[in-house]
Amino acid sequence: KQEVTQIPAALSVPEGENLVLNCSFTDSAIYNLQWFRQDPGKGLTSLLLIQSSQREQTSGRLNASLDKSSGRSTLYIAASQPGDSATYLCAPLNQAGTALIFGKGTTLSVSS
Amino acid sequence: DTAVSQTPKYLVTQMGNDKSIKCEQNLGHDTMYWYKQDSKKFLKIMFSYNNKELIINETVPNRFSPKSPDKAHLNLHINSLELGDSAVYFCASSQGMTSNYGYTFGSGTRLTVV
Repeated sequence: KQEVTQIPAALSVPEGENLVLNCSFTDSAIYNLQWFRQDPGKGLTSLLLIQSSQREQTSGRLNASLDKSSGRSTLYIAASQPGDSATYLCAPLNQAGTALIFGKGTTLSVSS
Repeated sequence: DTAVSQTPKYLVTQMGNDKSIKCEQNLGHDTMYWYKQDSKKFLKIMFSYNNKELIINETVPNRFSPKSPDKAHLNLHINSLELGDSAVYFCASSQGMTSNYGYTFGSGTRLTVV
């Protein structure tokens, strides 16, 4: 059964820092992996989707990498801003089970 | 236009009542899901439907019954509500079970049982 771990659970940084959020998963047989952000009391916003054949995806200041064989993905946020404050969720899509399985997220706070 | 819409956004009800949450997507997707986010913010899959057929039914009490009248709709009916059912319920959709373009989530329904 897929288990997803996100480290750190919480992170506080000053504005302008580059940071890395880590995600690990136990079953490497995945179709793809999706990163989301969730603002307090809100729904999930998709940030990046990486297919199993890809190594990374970029969108603006965000870059996500995938190392399927080792069961790891990282989300890199460049030049963080207070508006980046949110909970970031990692979710691989298993080949067996066929539904996104979520980690518990990393709660990011960026101070100005 | 909202891609995945859920109604109601908030639902406060007494123990023992029966309630429904509705979900509609206008993305033309053929697969829809219900997730539950508990008080610790952990998201867990409950059900998934592909072309109106139940695909995933995780360990969820029988009091929860999903209904998919067509590919664009997936409703969740809950009987005999309990305090522990209080949570945020999210609907999502994707194109195909392998979801090559990812999942799209609704904004959630916050259910409070008193």
